[in-house]
Amino acid sequence: GQNIDQPTEMTATEGAIVQINCTYQTSGFNGLFWYQQHAGEAPTFLSYNVLDGLEEKGRFSSFLSRSKGYSYLLLKELQMKDSASYLCAVSDSNYQLIWGAGTKLIIKP
Amino acid sequence: IAGITQAPTSQILAAGRRMTLRCTQDMRHNAMYWYRQDLGLGLRLIHYSNTAGTTGKGEVPDGYSVSRANTDDFPLTLASAVPSQTSVYFCASSEGSGGSTDTQYFGPGTRLTVL
Repeated sequence: GQNIDQPTEMTATEGAIVQINCTYQTSGFNGLFWYQQHAGEAPTFLSYNVLDGLEEKGRFSSFLSRSKGYSYLLLKELQMKDSASYLCAVSDSNYQLIWGAGTKLIIKP
Repeated sequence: IAGITQAPTSQILAAGRRMTLRCTQDMRHNAMYWYRQDLGLGLRLIHYSNTAGTTGKGEVPDGYSVSRANTDDFPLTLASAVPSQTSVYFCASSEGSGGSTDTQYFGPGTRLTVL
């Protein structure tokens, strides 16, 4: 079966750095997405990786290792507004997205 | 309208009733999707449409139907609602028409409670 694993919840301090991991086992791989979802709102796109390596976009970076079935989202200089759930999703062999359950990130002052 | 809109925002429905959730996008995207999101689970695909006039089944299609008469609209119908269909429903769209990985953009969601 297809499976995406992420930690359920993480806590970090304002101004710090946090890394959210995602491991996947899917039938085929056509890229990996990270989305942010604030409570009661819609998911919004953060990043897309299809090749191995690190993609940096401001305070957010996303890393992919296809051979390990592994990705992480790195958030730097954490702000209170970063408190949200972070969803990992993999595009499978049919180009359908398989979603993880999300990681709830709690930022403390 | 900018992006994707969904209606209603929330609804409480008696079991056995019929309900249609509406979704409209103004981005002229080819593909549209319906997901449900339940606590502790990832988004699960109900139905999708790669282009107007075509639809396909996702991971959890039972009890739901869709139609795609035009590019902009993609309604989701629950023919006879059951309590297990209590969930938050998200509509999404992407530019491509299948066969490629495109970023999906989400509507604000509909919170449905079936009693």
